[in-house]
Amino acid sequence: EPEVTQTPSHQVTQMGQEVILRCVPISNHLYFYWYRQILGQKVEFLVSFYNNEISEKSEIFDDQFSVERPDGSNFTLKIRSTKLEDSAMYFCASRAEGTGRRHFGDGTRLSIL
Amino acid sequence: QQQVKQSPQSLIVQKGGISIINCAYENTAFDYFPWYQQFPGKGPALLIAIRPDVSEKKEGRFTISFNKSAKQFSLHIMDSQPGDSATYFCAASISDYKLSFGAGTTVTVRA
Repeated sequence: EPEVTQTPSHQVTQMGQEVILRCVPISNHLYFYWYRQILGQKVEFLVSFYNNEISEKSEIFDDQFSVERPDGSNFTLKIRSTKLEDSAMYFCASRAEGTGRRHFGDGTRLSIL
Repeated sequence: QQQVKQSPQSLIVQKGGISIINCAYENTAFDYFPWYQQFPGKGPALLIAIRPDVSEKKEGRFTISFNKSAKQFSLHIMDSQPGDSATYFCAASISDYKLSFGAGTTVTVRA
């Protein structure tokens, strides 16, 4: 079965630095998402992206966050100035037209020091 | 506002037993109710999903029961196996919009 792939698997960054998390969604999917999961807690929605624009975002997704689909295959999440509380697992997901099923990647563990 | 409430937080079941996880939601506009299974170090994987026009859906050993009037839905894992040991999340969404996840239930199946 096709998979969503995320890189890197683990990212360690100093507080205040910029970080870019990368995702390759499933090739024929049109809807893209970022979620995060703080250790031991539930999965939280960050943002959804469709037709080259943000279609929905949560209150967590403030001005420090941005998303981009720079080419036909990658989908990125940028955090401009990282904070300690940004430490979490970040999951990318994608979805095909006509189905509710989101396919999740295995995540990037972001550690802010 | 917690849109989806999940219980219990954890449960232990003997091999061959039944695991039952419950979720309650608040927003009557929700029309898609999936359950996700997550193993350590992995992303959530869709297990089974239901829409509110049916009261039950079964796939293998996994069954969703849905009670629209009570705004509740549950996951039953029949004949639980050690390989079912994982964290299970219920979720809900309005059509294509964001998935709201429950807090998760850690299931441990003892051999």
